[in-house]
Amino acid sequence: QKEVEQNSGPLSVPEGAIASLNCTYSDRGSQSFFWYRQYSGKSPELIMFIYSNGDKEDGRFTAQLNKASQYVSLLIRDSQPSDSATYLCAANAGNNRKLIWGLGTSLAVNP
Amino acid sequence: SAVISQKPSRDICQRGTSLTIQCQVDSQVTMMFWYRQQPGQSLTLIATANQGSEATYESGFVIDKFPISRPNLTFSTLTVSNMSPEDSSIYLCSVAKSLAELTDTQYFGPGTRLTVL
Repeated sequence: QKEVEQNSGPLSVPEGAIASLNCTYSDRGSQSFFWYRQYSGKSPELIMFIYSNGDKEDGRFTAQLNKASQYVSLLIRDSQPSDSATYLCAANAGNNRKLIWGLGTSLAVNP
Repeated sequence: SAVISQKPSRDICQRGTSLTIQCQVDSQVTMMFWYRQQPGQSLTLIATANQGSEATYESGFVIDKFPISRPNLTFSTLTVSNMSPEDSSIYLCSVAKSLAELTDTQYFGPGTRLTVL
């Protein structure tokens, strides 16, 4: 069974702090990894993707991938109350074009 | 990315009836997917909608309950048949688009919130 695991949270951080969201995956055939943000009552929206080991930065967001450890993370710098949402981690299912989804981590940024 | 619309955005239905949800994309896409998301839960893939052939269903989902059409590369429908309260959920359409350096990235429609009484 291919799985993506995330801590469900809630993760609570003060405004301006760094929020760190973590994800592990079981399928070594997965090549691409995605972070989505989902506000309550809304559909998921793509934040970032990563497919190479190391860090990838986009504004206040940094995705980190370690294929040896099968670990993906998302760092949010200078967290804002508007970042409060559920963050979903997903991995592609090897050669299959489907995505395997984690259960999501709830993030609360407190003013 | 992609601009995706879904209709209806929400509906309240009686048990035993059926509802058809439409998904329209602003550009041609190869892969379209239908998901279900129950309150407080993550995404569950129902099926992959294949253009010109039958949909591919995930374990636990069958064509008789969730018939899917995909008449062209920009449109798909999902029908929830013979509904029961357990079918109350948000139904999401997504499309996969290839970026230059990457396999498919999925983009989601706004969802259809279904309540079955």
